[in-house]
Amino acid sequence: EAGVTQFPSHSVIEKGQTVTLRCDPISGHDNLYWYRRVMGKEIKFLLHFVKESKQDESGMPNNRFLAERTGGTYSTLKVQPAELEDSGVYFCASSQDKLAGFQETQYFGPGTRLLVL
Amino acid sequence: DAKTTQPPSMDCAEGRAANLPCNHSTISGNEYVYWYRQIHSQGPQYIIHGLKNNETNEMASLIITEDRKSSTLILPHATLRDTAVYYCIVRPRGTSGTYKYIFGTGTRLKVLA
Repeated sequence: EAGVTQFPSHSVIEKGQTVTLRCDPISGHDNLYWYRRVMGKEIKFLLHFVKESKQDESGMPNNRFLAERTGGTYSTLKVQPAELEDSGVYFCASSQDKLAGFQETQYFGPGTRLLVL
Repeated sequence: DAKTTQPPSMDCAEGRAANLPCNHSTISGNEYVYWYRQIHSQGPQYIIHGLKNNETNEMASLIITEDRKSSTLILPHATLRDTAVYYCIVRPRGTSGTYKYIFGTGTRLKVLA
């Protein structure tokens, strides 16, 4: 069974440009999460989808970030316009919804390394 | 803020057991303890989780104290490939059905040859 995949693995853009990150969750997983780690900081939660609905957006830093999950399958995270402080590693994770939420285990993708110059 | 505290770093000799402690004194009755690790700059890798009983799988064992205020992850025979940052996570109960992880700084385990 394929794990969580993310594309691209690396992205280098200039300040002010737009970048779109993609995440494909494990097949059949209803829950999809975005996290990120900026330089020298801990991994931070961004948002959580249940199928195509945003369940929790509390971690989104500002309105330059837009996440979508049309059809409840893959998700995209767009940064527009990108700023220097957006540089970091963006992780996606997914989990099933079969068990009670307390037991839900999230499986992470390899991440997208974003560098804004 | 993370609900767990871990030592920033530990060393372990190859072939020996690595015991990684975690304090979670404010854990609630229905909160699970999860352990993940991050090797190099890869994505966090799930290791094990538990509620109150000790757990074991092919990767590790998890020992949770009776009062649930602390736990220990045990890698029974550490190898060089176990060198990683290990995260202990107590996931807070979501009020709106979300179960996000709150990562702390973790323990950087270095396995020595």
